[in-house]
Amino acid sequence: GENVEQHPSTLSVQEGDSAVIKCTYSDSASNYFPWYKQELGKGPQLIIDIRSNVGEKKDQRIAVTLNKTAKHFSLHITETQPEDSAVYFCAASNSNYQLIWGAGTKLIIKP
Amino acid sequence: DAGVIQSPRHEVTEMGQEVTLRCKPISGHNSLFWYRQTMMRGLELLIYFNNNVPIDDSGMPEDRFSAKMPNASFSTLKIQPSEPRDSAVYFCASSRLEPPTGELFFGEGSRLTVL
Repeated sequence: GENVEQHPSTLSVQEGDSAVIKCTYSDSASNYFPWYKQELGKGPQLIIDIRSNVGEKKDQRIAVTLNKTAKHFSLHITETQPEDSAVYFCAASNSNYQLIWGAGTKLIIKP
Repeated sequence: DAGVIQSPRHEVTEMGQEVTLRCKPISGHNSLFWYRQTMMRGLELLIYFNNNVPIDDSGMPEDRFSAKMPNASFSTLKIQPSEPRDSAVYFCASSRLEPPTGELFFGEGSRLTVL
């Protein structure tokens, strides 16, 4: 069935370094790929999204890349800061116009 | 704007009891979603409403779960009877656009513990 695989499940980086989280999807009809950030005790919040007609999108320190041929997309965070510590979820749209979610990546920023 | 408002934030109940979770979406948002989050299964879509009409309830686990949206500003998710395996964080989210595109605005969740 449709699924989105997300790696790694936990990522620990030094403050100031870059972090990369990767997702692969199975539904070739997927055309919308959002990334959400969930802080402890809160609901997920959209941080960036990309559509299938674009290969890369950037917003300040965060960027997302998409490779439709390989069916994978990645989140890049540069110059990480303590407030980047959270759980990050990727998602991909399916042919039923719903989102299929990855399992999440816990990002830990070490001071 | 106040954001999506959910109540209660925490609920502890005993197996067999009825549980009602409530949600007030952001004004003007036409789409409303109920999600369940657990460590084992991650984020699961339970049901999706558009303009107060249930469009996709294929994620509702079983007949013990029901959801209603009597008007554009209120929705409920009911579990009757509740079971320990229903313990999870339940999120309500709303969106101005129909899925899949359109930002989802999540509430802070209702943490349910069934003993």
